[in-house]
Amino acid sequence: EAAVTQSPRNKVAVTGGKVTLSCNQTNNHNNMYWYRQDTGHGLRLIHYSYGAGSTEKGDIPDGYKASRPSQENFSLILELATPSQTSVYFCASGAAGGRYAEQFFGPGTRLTVL
Amino acid sequence: QQKVQQSPESLIVPEGGMASLNCTFSDRNSQYFWWYRQHSGEGPKALMSIFSNGDKKEGRFTAHLNKASLYVSLHIKDSQPSDSALYFCAGMPNYNVLYFGSGTKLTVEP
Repeated sequence: EAAVTQSPRNKVAVTGGKVTLSCNQTNNHNNMYWYRQDTGHGLRLIHYSYGAGSTEKGDIPDGYKASRPSQENFSLILELATPSQTSVYFCASGAAGGRYAEQFFGPGTRLTVL
Repeated sequence: QQKVQQSPESLIVPEGGMASLNCTFSDRNSQYFWWYRQHSGEGPKALMSIFSNGDKKEGRFTAHLNKASLYVSLHIKDSQPSDSALYFCAGMPNYNVLYFGSGTKLTVEP
């Protein structure tokens, strides 16, 4: 089965601080995604990547940067964290799109910004 | 931006009962649809996909798709307490991007 891991699993940050969330996948999938999950909003796409070196903006990219240094790793960076970024963040990986585009999710990172 | 209307927000069914979940999508480019399930404390996991009009049955789960109205539904027969979870529909208007509904919290009471 596909394997996506995230670190840290829990993070408490201060307003204005820098936060980096990391994701690793061992599925050799080209595509990787970062979502946030908030009650009432479901899963909202922040950034995604088609492969090493590429990042694309999703629906809610403001306040977030992404980095894809390799096929396996995809990071989400909050340069200046704000309390509104308190949420649960999920990373996912997936093969090429269309009918083969099932996404495999990691266990999530709970971020609290005080 | 794809809009996804998912209903109901929450649903309580007795053990052995039928649960029905619904979604409507706004983007007519959507061709592929999924249902995902998320148990508490875990990441979402794909439950089943549906790409053609009509019904698709996998065990106790039946998905229905009407492409003309961009409507998908999920029916869970003989619901079990282990089915209690958050369920999301998802559609693909872009070759590589999924848009998710806001979720239905299903509780199956013993």
